[in-house]
Amino acid sequence: QVQLQESGPGLVKPSGTLSLTCAVSGGSISNTNWWTWVRQPPGKGLEWVGEIYHSGSTNYNPSLQSRVTISVDISKNQFSLTLTSVTAADTAVYYCARGNYFDCWGQGTLVTVSS
Amino acid sequence: DIVMTQSPDSLAVSLGERATINCKSSQSVLYSSNNKNYLAWYQQKPGQPPKLLIYWASTRESGVPDRFSGSGSGTDFTLTISSLQAEDVSLYYCQQYYTTPYTFGQGTKLEIK
Repeated sequence: QVQLQESGPGLVKPSGTLSLTCAVSGGSISNTNWWTWVRQPPGKGLEWVGEIYHSGSTNYNPSLQSRVTISVDISKNQFSLTLTSVTAADTAVYYCARGNYFDCWGQGTLVTVSS
Repeated sequence: DIVMTQSPDSLAVSLGERATINCKSSQSVLYSSNNKNYLAWYQQKPGQPPKLLIYWASTRESGVPDRFSGSGSGTDFTLTISSLQAEDVSLYYCQQYYTTPYTFGQGTKLEIK
């Protein structure tokens, strides 16, 4: 059974860069799937951030397009999120998930943007 | 972007009664070439990630109780819980995966009356 686990700093300074990694276990990231990041500000709804295929093809939310990069490391069976020039509005629980409809989720990691 | 609008925002239903949540998309999420609706439903409890309940608008995910069902096509969809159980108290979201950016409804809070 595939499991996902997010990791990364829980606190990022304004104007800094948010970097998170999602480790995939119990299956290969090279299987036919898209791998996704979704975020949820405290007390608010879900926002799709972007996705990556194991080939490296990506799709991003246009609202974040200029600041977001998703990459994949097949050798480590993981994929990563980088978000630049963060503000308080980027404070959220960040989830990694599998697919286009999301049948497998990580537990999520809270990232707070604050000085 | 496709806007997903859920109704109601909150709902209180008695135990054992039927609960119905609606989801409307701003454009059709039915792909004519395969006749599939690119619509999913999730349940989210506090402090937990969302859990997939339904995909392709009406296909129940493995392990989801059969009191949960999805229906609808095109732009109008419904999640029905046939007989509400205490453990169904939760937030529910619909999501379209017809086109990127994938988008979610604002959520419906389901409570016990």
